[in-house]
Amino acid sequence: GAVVSQHPSWVICKSGTSVKIECRSLDFQATTMFWYRQFPKQSLMLMATSNEGSKATYEQGVEKDKFLINHASLTLSTLTVTSAHPEDSSFYICSAKEGAGGQPQHFGDGTRLSIL
Amino acid sequence: AQSVTQPDIHITVSEGASLELRCNYSYGATPYLFWYVQSPGQGLQLLLKYFSGDTLVQGIKGFEAEFKRSQSSFNLRKPSVHWSDAAEYFCAVGSNAGNMLTFGGGTRLMVKP
Repeated sequence: GAVVSQHPSWVICKSGTSVKIECRSLDFQATTMFWYRQFPKQSLMLMATSNEGSKATYEQGVEKDKFLINHASLTLSTLTVTSAHPEDSSFYICSAKEGAGGQPQHFGDGTRLSIL
Repeated sequence: AQSVTQPDIHITVSEGASLELRCNYSYGATPYLFWYVQSPGQGLQLLLKYFSGDTLVQGIKGFEAEFKRSQSSFNLRKPSVHWSDAAEYFCAVGSNAGNMLTFGGGTRLMVKP
């Protein structure tokens, strides 16, 4: 149980385009979803937290107009990187948490984004 | 503010040898502690978690971890490492609401045949 699916797993696109990444909880309802960014050989950095039906909470230094997050249902959150540039190239990972309290986050397999 | 330190960036062990990965945390209240494993190019898989109760927790793949409040540690152990255990391991601490996870820098485990 507790499977999180992230799509696409790898995307390459030209500078200036927008890219949408989907994160789905397949067998549970995710009250909260999280988006992380991971640079090579580094740890995960939390970008934003989203609760279903409300606006995402962004971490300091993360541009909310650059990284649009939508959590329209209890099983789907999307991250759109708008007008992507090479410096946005990274590994993006989502996670989802079921319910309140100290439930663990379950992670997707990540999306490798390469901007040319 | 909560923080997690994994002192060892890289560890190499021989297959069949025992393993201990260190994790120290800083948190003002009772922490929620997690260990995750990440294979190259993939997401994170939960190995085990500690919320309360028995301080020795068992996880998947033969891993266990012990919570020591006096030392602010949550070290991960495995009695006999397999080659498939080679991966990156992350320790994380969460708030009592479970929403905010702070990760350590990770420890890359390499397994010698």
